[in-house]
Amino acid sequence: GAGVSQSPSNKVTEKGKDVELRCDPISGHTALYWYRQSLGQGLEFLIYFQGNSAPDKSGLPSDRFSAERTGGSVSTLTIQRTQQEDSAVYLCASSVTLASDKQYFGPGTRLTVL
Amino acid sequence: GESVGLHLPTLSVQEGDNSIINCAYSNSASDYFIWYKQESGKGPQFIIDIRSNMDKRQGQRVTVLLNKTVKHLSLQIAATQPGDSAVYFCAEAHPNQGGKLIFGQGTELSVKP
Repeated sequence: GAGVSQSPSNKVTEKGKDVELRCDPISGHTALYWYRQSLGQGLEFLIYFQGNSAPDKSGLPSDRFSAERTGGSVSTLTIQRTQQEDSAVYLCASSVTLASDKQYFGPGTRLTVL
Repeated sequence: GESVGLHLPTLSVQEGDNSIINCAYSNSASDYFIWYKQESGKGPQFIIDIRSNMDKRQGQRVTVLLNKTVKHLSLQIAATQPGDSAVYFCAEAHPNQGGKLIFGQGTELSVKP
């Protein structure tokens, strides 16, 4: 079966523009996670979904960041008015359920803000 | 604050030798730990996990050891191969935080032929 997929794989945008990043989790996985990885760094938690609801948005860096999930499947992470410090690889992961279950990661979207 | 950190940022080993990658965690309430391997340009790949009610778990060529007394986690790779060259991350999960993972900074493993 297919793994987690993300699109686009690379995105270059100008400062101030909005961007949308997409994640398709593994079919049947109810939990979905977004992480951010800056160059040479570990992964930083952003938000997770259980079904379509997001109980924990504590990791979102600012109100310019938002995410939604529809139909318990695809999720989009939106960054409004992008800044240069938003440049990073955005990784999505899914797991069968929440709470102490292995997460499977997608290949990531590399975002570059000029 | 709470964090998961690695003792060594880089590790260089000879092909065929065993590798040991270490990780320290600070939250004694964490009940789940996981190791990922990340190759350049790719997402993290699951290697092995362990729950806090265990102190050792073995996979294929890999072993994870958990010492809750000193809050230490290690990943052992037997007979290291060039294909094992990558960055290795440990991560911890807390029981009441929806499974979100807190990652360490990573150790880069380099295997010399």
